[in-house]
Amino acid sequence: DIQLTQSPSFLSASVGDRVTITCRASQGISSYLAWYQQKPGKAPKLLIYAASTLQSGVPSRFSGSGSGTEFTLTISSLQPEDFATYYCQQLNSYLPYTFGQGTKLEIK
Amino acid sequence: EVQLVESGGGLVKPGGSLRLSCAASGFTFSSYSMNWVRQAPGKGLEWVSSISSSSSYIYYADSLKGRFTISRDNAKNSLYLQMNSLRAEDTAVYYCARPQDFFGGAFDIWGQGTMVTVSS
Repeated sequence: DIQLTQSPSFLSASVGDRVTITCRASQGISSYLAWYQQKPGKAPKLLIYAASTLQSGVPSRFSGSGSGTEFTLTISSLQPEDFATYYCQQLNSYLPYTFGQGTKLEIK
Repeated sequence: EVQLVESGGGLVKPGGSLRLSCAASGFTFSSYSMNWVRQAPGKGLEWVSSISSSSSYIYYADSLKGRFTISRDNAKNSLYLQMNSLRAEDTAVYYCARPQDFFGGAFDIWGQGTMVTVSS
């Protein structure tokens, strides 16, 4: 199975900060990677697919990059509503569709 | 409006069974593969199972070891998850999720989730 490792697991930041979350895959997955945002008690929300394509309706302060085994999610200027937990997911043909362990973004 | 609504969760004793349902609306259900994803309390997301649009291809997480069965009824726009021999570690919120309609598509539509608690 492909393993996804996110770093950091916890991140403390302030409104207006630029933050980056990294997701590393145990083997190459081309660009078959998605990023989700989840708030407490809610279902995950798709932010980025195909590693760098912004889902419709998602603010442009969110961006994704990478291919192969290393990927990043960047939030250019944190807003109050961005404090949440973020997950990466690989969607390569190799099942299972693994998720990373999550990165909890908290207000400093 | 594109929507997925899960139901069927609840409290069940270890060794018991439960059948979850997911009702789809607002899109052509029969054209999409579908997935179940679960999340144990305070934990991360875990993909559980996938089923192709015509039920020809079915996949499960290895951790389930044959205890769960995914199915669908395209005439009823519904997805199901039959869960047998339930264990405490199956306690989780179970989400149904629709992927984008291309290879490697991410899960763009999620239900609100249904809670399954396995406890004596």
